[in-house]
Amino acid sequence: DIQMTQSPSSLSASVGDKVTITCRASQDIRNSLAWFQQKPGRAPKSLIYGASSLQNGVPSKFSGSRSGTDFTLTINCLQPEDFATYYCQQYDTYPFTFGQGTKLEIK
Amino acid sequence: EVQLVESGGGLVQPGGSLRLTCATSGFIFSDHYMDWVRQAPGKGLEWVGRGKSKVERYTTEYAASVKGRFIVSRDESKNSLYLQMNSLKSEDTAVYYCARGLNSFDFWGLGTMVTVSS
Repeated sequence: DIQMTQSPSSLSASVGDKVTITCRASQDIRNSLAWFQQKPGRAPKSLIYGASSLQNGVPSKFSGSRSGTDFTLTINCLQPEDFATYYCQQYDTYPFTFGQGTKLEIK
Repeated sequence: EVQLVESGGGLVQPGGSLRLTCATSGFIFSDHYMDWVRQAPGKGLEWVGRGKSKVERYTTEYAASVKGRFIVSRDESKNSLYLQMNSLKSEDTAVYYCARGLNSFDFWGLGTMVTVSS
């Protein structure tokens, strides 16, 4: 199975900050990488697919990038509603696998 | 508007069975892969299985942890996805989400809770 190693596992930031979350795949997954946001008690929400394409309706403050098997989610100008848990996921090869999540908290 | 609504969760004893349903609307069901993803209490997300589209003859894929015990199926006449769960274990306790499998998982339902306990 492809392992997705996500870092950091938790992150404290302030409103207005820019943050970066990283995900490393254990093998080449091409651009088959998605990012999700999940708030407590809610279903996950898709943010990015194809490593860097924004889902419909997702604000441009979210962006994704790829360098080889390393993937990055960047969130600009944090707002209170952005504090949540973020997951990466590869969909290149079955079984699909998720990173362990990054909990973004208000400092 | 795309909608996915799960139902069928509940409390079941170890070794028991349960069938989850995901009722869909707002899109052409037969054109899309459909997936089940679960989340154990306080834990991360785990992909469970996929029902592929008509083009791929509705074949299925599974995570190793459920293969041989769970079955994903579809009813195109009802625009519904199902998850038949057999030989349930305590570690299957989770919220089960269905998701549309476009560009990874673009739409998700609200989830249904399954608790396996005696």
